[in-house]
Amino acid sequence: GQNIDQPTEMTATEGAIVQINCTYQTSGFNGLFWYQQHAGEAPTFLSYNVLDGLEEKGRFSSFLSRSKGYSYLLLKELQMKDSASYLCAVRDRSGGYQKVTFGTGTKLQVIP
Amino acid sequence: DGGITQSPKYLFRKEGQNVTLSCEQNLNHDAMYWYRQDPGQGLRLIYYSQIVNDFQKGDIAEGYSVSREKKESFPLTVTSAQKNPTAFYLCASSMRGAQETQYFGPGTRLLVL
Repeated sequence: GQNIDQPTEMTATEGAIVQINCTYQTSGFNGLFWYQQHAGEAPTFLSYNVLDGLEEKGRFSSFLSRSKGYSYLLLKELQMKDSASYLCAVRDRSGGYQKVTFGTGTKLQVIP
Repeated sequence: DGGITQSPKYLFRKEGQNVTLSCEQNLNHDAMYWYRQDPGQGLRLIYYSQIVNDFQKGDIAEGYSVSREKKESFPLTVTSAQKNPTAFYLCASSMRGAQETQYFGPGTRLLVL
């Protein structure tokens, strides 16, 4: 099975930088996703990492260390609209199906 | 516009009643999924389908049923056997391939009267 841990809540100031961590334990790691979910809405895809290192996409970056079972999502120049939950999801190989398991999410509140 | 649609946005169920949630996609994706989301919990997989006329149980399939008669459609029925159906239901789809990023529909919120 899989175990995914993320902080439940975080608060950060508009214009600042925030790092949301995710640790996982899985037997057949095959990729890690980050999604953003505003309250009452569907998750939207932010990033995907399968190799170690940093993936940058505008104000958002995602980092992966497979040996440590660790990832983080970095949000720069925070805006009020970034207030949302951020879901870490890990894919592993389970027989013929590559199963994706979602963490419980980190609720980020951006304050003025 | 390509995307995933779910209907209705809100659905009310009476005790002992079966209800069906619709999910349609025009992205030409092979795989489709149903998740349930409860407050303070992650998304939990109910059922998934990798190809037409084939589907598998996820982690919490009891009390639910699905069909996949067409590539574009993956309806979920919440049966009376599901004793705690109040939740936010999300449908997703993905292209089979190396990354297989899942893209989500807008969700259906089911409430029990």
